[in-house]
Amino acid sequence: EVQLVESGGGLVQPGGPLRLSCAASGFTFNLYWMSWVRQAPGKGLEWVANIKEDGSQKYFAGSVEGRFTISRDNAENSLFLQMNSLRAEDTAVYYCVRFRPGGYLDYWGQGIRVTVSS
Amino acid sequence: QSALTQPPSASGSPGQSVTISCTGTSSDVGGYNYVSWYQQHPGKAPKLIIYEVNKRPSGVPDRFSGSKSGNTASLTVSGLQAEDEADYHCNSYAGSHTVVFGGGTKLTVL
Repeated sequence: EVQLVESGGGLVQPGGPLRLSCAASGFTFNLYWMSWVRQAPGKGLEWVANIKEDGSQKYFAGSVEGRFTISRDNAENSLFLQMNSLRAEDTAVYYCVRFRPGGYLDYWGQGIRVTVSS
Repeated sequence: QSALTQPPSASGSPGQSVTISCTGTSSDVGGYNYVSWYQQHPGKAPKLIIYEVNKRPSGVPDRFSGSKSGNTASLTVSGLQAEDEADYHCNSYAGSHTVVFGGGTKLTVL
């Protein structure tokens, strides 16, 4: 059974950093692209970032480019999202998701809440 | 990237059919046969129900179907059931390993 479990969320002050982690199991992690998707309170889904199987290619939404970094540790079956210079508008539930060719997202974690507020 | 356009709400009675639209551009919906749809119940993670315009993952009832014409994709839910009440989100590949979502549609079963 595929499982994706996020951790590391919480309350952070504007301008501060936060690092999200995602522990993957139930599939061969190093054979899949992975993504982060977020959902602000009461809003729709927003794609945040993608990373290739081996970590050699990374892509970001314009709203986070230059502030967020995506990485992975295939030995530990883990995905990460380093978020810097956080803003109030980054407040959202962040989902760790498996990304398939053709752009669909077939397995989702339960989500982790990030709140940016003073 | 601009978000895809979905109606904020849709509704239907049990047993009826309802169709939700998702409009993009030639750079996303119209440019690729890579539209997917997700169902999200309150407080839960989204669940993939349609991929590559009209394919259903294993376990998704055939009451759910997808289609596309030009820059607009559609999700049809036939034989509405109470448990279909949820938010529905469309998504399209937008090139360069990026994707774009719609704003979501709240489906109410009357």
